[in-house]
Amino acid sequence: GDSVTQMEGPVTLSEEAFLTINCTYTATGYPSLFWYVQYPGEGLQLLLKATKADDKGSNKGFEATYRKETTSFHLEKGSVQVSDSAVYFCALSDNDYKLSFGAGTTVTVRA
Amino acid sequence: ETGVTQTPRHLVMGMTNKKSLKCEQHLGHNAMYWYKQSAKKPLELMFVYNFKEQTENNSVPSRFSPECPNSSHLFLHLHTLQPEDSALYLCASSLQGSEQFFGPGTRLTVL
Repeated sequence: GDSVTQMEGPVTLSEEAFLTINCTYTATGYPSLFWYVQYPGEGLQLLLKATKADDKGSNKGFEATYRKETTSFHLEKGSVQVSDSAVYFCALSDNDYKLSFGAGTTVTVRA
Repeated sequence: ETGVTQTPRHLVMGMTNKKSLKCEQHLGHNAMYWYKQSAKKPLELMFVYNFKEQTENNSVPSRFSPECPNSSHLFLHLHTLQPEDSALYLCASSLQGSEQFFGPGTRLTVL
């Protein structure tokens, strides 16, 4: 079945550091891939998405590229801020009604 | 504003109480979902409704009873819960194969 594996946290960074969160997936078809973010005390928000191979999703300085050859969708940001402290979830949808989520990676950015 | 609202935002209940969680979306989506998010555990999909029909029940105990009267509203009826049911309950909605939009969640505490 479909599954998502993302790097375990927690990750602690200083402001303006480079952030990478690794995500790899297993799927039988051609899934759409997503990154969601959950700020403290809130629900999940869609951060970015990519629907086909080689697509790059981007939002708020974050980027992720759909790599079919390596079945990966790593999240990157070049210079993080304290306000980026959150839990980040990688997810895939194989064109049905369900999302398969990774376990989530907690990121803390220190001033 | 995600377009998905949940009430109440916080709920404290005893093990013998009966309460209901409410979710509402006006995004024109046809699928709605209940998730459970516990501390230090992956996001758990509980129920999926597609065009008001339940299409998924992930072995959820019968003390959780969902209801979907129309495509815009989803309820989760709670009765005789256990302390281990304390968690953040998230509602989401989507169109088929597309990203899910989440509500802010209901923080449930069972005493």
